[in-house]
Amino acid sequence: AQSVTQPDIHITVSEGASLELRCNYSYGATPYLFWYVQSPGQGLQLLLKYFSGDTLVQGIKGFEAEFKRSQSSFNLRKPSVHWSDAAEYFCAVGAYSGNTPLVFGKGTRLSVIA
Amino acid sequence: DAGVIQSPRHEVTEMGQEVTLRCKPISGHNSLFWYRQTMMRGLELLIYFNNNVPIDDSGMPEDRFSAKMPNASFSTLKIQPSEPRDSAVYFCASSINRDLQETQYFGPGTRLLVL
Repeated sequence: AQSVTQPDIHITVSEGASLELRCNYSYGATPYLFWYVQSPGQGLQLLLKYFSGDTLVQGIKGFEAEFKRSQSSFNLRKPSVHWSDAAEYFCAVGAYSGNTPLVFGKGTRLSVIA
Repeated sequence: DAGVIQSPRHEVTEMGQEVTLRCKPISGHNSLFWYRQTMMRGLELLIYFNNNVPIDDSGMPEDRFSAKMPNASFSTLKIQPSEPRDSAVYFCASSINRDLQETQYFGPGTRLLVL
């Protein structure tokens, strides 16, 4: 069965510090991987996605993620966090082919302190 | 484009009442997904449609839940009768149905509280 694990429920970082949010997936076929961000009271906004090709993908707001097939991971990174990055982050996996529902991780809540 | 539109944004109702949530997908998108978000279970799929046809409703909790998509620009999720455990945020998402996976775009959600 498909599953996504985000091991960190809550992370606190200082503004300007680097960030890495972990994501591990279990999927029986070629995965299509996503990171979404949810600000309080808002819907989900796509940060980036990995489909194929270069395993390091760039997204919006200065985020990037690296796909590592051998580790079944798709970790999200940002070199310097801004206070406005405080939000909940969700990793999701979908099928490579066909339009199918996404399976989401439980999310990681990011707090940013001065 | 206005994005995915959901209404109402907030709903407070009493147990036993009927609740109807509405969704307008992005124009030109022909796949529509209903997800539910709770603290305990996170984001989980309820049902999805391709070309207005329900494809998988295995996530619908029980017979109290029903969903329809009468045309390409409108879908409803109905709960009758509602129960306190239905309190959650309900998201609608849409995408283009092609051979390969496409990005799903989410609406702002409906926050439902059943008293």
